[in-house]
Amino acid sequence: DAGVTQSPTHLIKTRGQQVTLRCSPKSGHDTVSWYQQALGQGPQFIFQYYEEEERQRGNFPDRFSGHQFPNYSSELNVNALLLGDSALYLCASSLTGLGVYEQYFGPGTRLTVT
Amino acid sequence: DAKTTQPNSMESNEEEPVHLPCNHSTISGTDYIHWYRQLPSQGPEYVIHGLTSNVNNRMASLAIAEDRKSSTLILHRATLRDAAVYYCILANYGQNFVFGPGTRLSVLP
Repeated sequence: DAGVTQSPTHLIKTRGQQVTLRCSPKSGHDTVSWYQQALGQGPQFIFQYYEEEERQRGNFPDRFSGHQFPNYSSELNVNALLLGDSALYLCASSLTGLGVYEQYFGPGTRLTVT
Repeated sequence: DAKTTQPNSMESNEEEPVHLPCNHSTISGTDYIHWYRQLPSQGPEYVIHGLTSNVNNRMASLAIAEDRKSSTLILHRATLRDAAVYYCILANYGQNFVFGPGTRLSVLP
């Protein structure tokens, strides 16, 4: 059973560019959350998608947007990249309605903005 | 969001028990206590969670104070592979996770 997968593994972009990160949830999961983790810090919640809708959102600007597809996979888009967007971006999947909120995390995408 | 307080770092010897504390004095009645850990170069992984009673699983034990204002993650026999950052998180069902800086556990051979 494949766990959460993310692509690409690493990415280098230039300030001002746009980036798209992808996530495939664990088999059977229907909910995807995205987190940003700066070096030496804990992950920070960006947003969560369920039934193709954004269900919760953290304190991130509108430059951060997302999408969930009918197969439950998800994309994170970041526009007008800033140097401060350099971080590890983590995707986590879970199953809504299970009664236990256990999240499974992927290995992350390391984004470097130069 | 409810907040937790953990020591920045702890050290343990291999094959000895480790007790990782977490204070959460503002916990609400419906907050679950979750523990995740993050090994180097990996995403966080689930360790254990509980609501009111102590919990055991194959990875660890979770001891929850009677007033629920603190909890302790217990690794019964630390191995080198247990070296990681351990996060204590409070969340209602379905609520997003708020991670703090966690406790960096070093395991000495």
